[in-house]
Amino acid sequence: KNQVEQSPQSLIILEGKNCTLQCNYTVSPFSNLRWYKQDTGRGPVSLTIMTFSENTKSNGRYTATLDADTKQSSLHITASQLSDSASYICVVTYSGAGSYQLTFGKGTKLSVIP
Amino acid sequence: DAGVTQSPTHLIKTRGQHVTLRCSPISGHKSVSWYQQVLGQGPQFIFQYYEKEERGRGNFPDRFSARQFPNYSSELNVNALLLGDSALYLCASSLERTSYEQYFGPGTRLTVT
Repeated sequence: KNQVEQSPQSLIILEGKNCTLQCNYTVSPFSNLRWYKQDTGRGPVSLTIMTFSENTKSNGRYTATLDADTKQSSLHITASQLSDSASYICVVTYSGAGSYQLTFGKGTKLSVIP
Repeated sequence: DAGVTQSPTHLIKTRGQHVTLRCSPISGHKSVSWYQQVLGQGPQFIFQYYEKEERGRGNFPDRFSARQFPNYSSELNVNALLLGDSALYLCASSLERTSYEQYFGPGTRLTVT
């Protein structure tokens, strides 16, 4: 069964600090992995997209890494800001046998406090 | 250029009723996908439509149906509503069926009482 597991479930950090969110997946065959930021009650917004051949991808203060061998990804946020408070969702795309489907993790809820 | 739009933004229905949710993709995008997001959970895939045909279906009962129109906009219909159908319904559009990038709309918050 294709699954995406994220950890921690929730995280509280002080403004200005760094943090790392984890994503483990069992989706196969793997097409790409995405990280989204979702503010409460809003639609997700894409942060990074990586294919199996990419190890790292940055978007400003967000850096995602991917290890396709161990099926793990991480999202590192540097110099956190209050506006980073949101849920961060890892999404893995399954592409095989004529099917194309996204599997979402449950997300990590990040709270940045002053 | 407008992003993905969804209507209505909020909706309250009672059990047993029917609901129709609407989505307009980004101009030029041909693929629309629907997701259900229950509070505290990640989105669950419901349908993907591309060029007006269903191209993917998640594990949802037949009470859920959708269609895509010639202008690529889409409707999601849910019949015989249950309390468990209360959720944020998200629509995402992409240029092609297997495009890397999906752009999400703001969602429709459905409450079933």
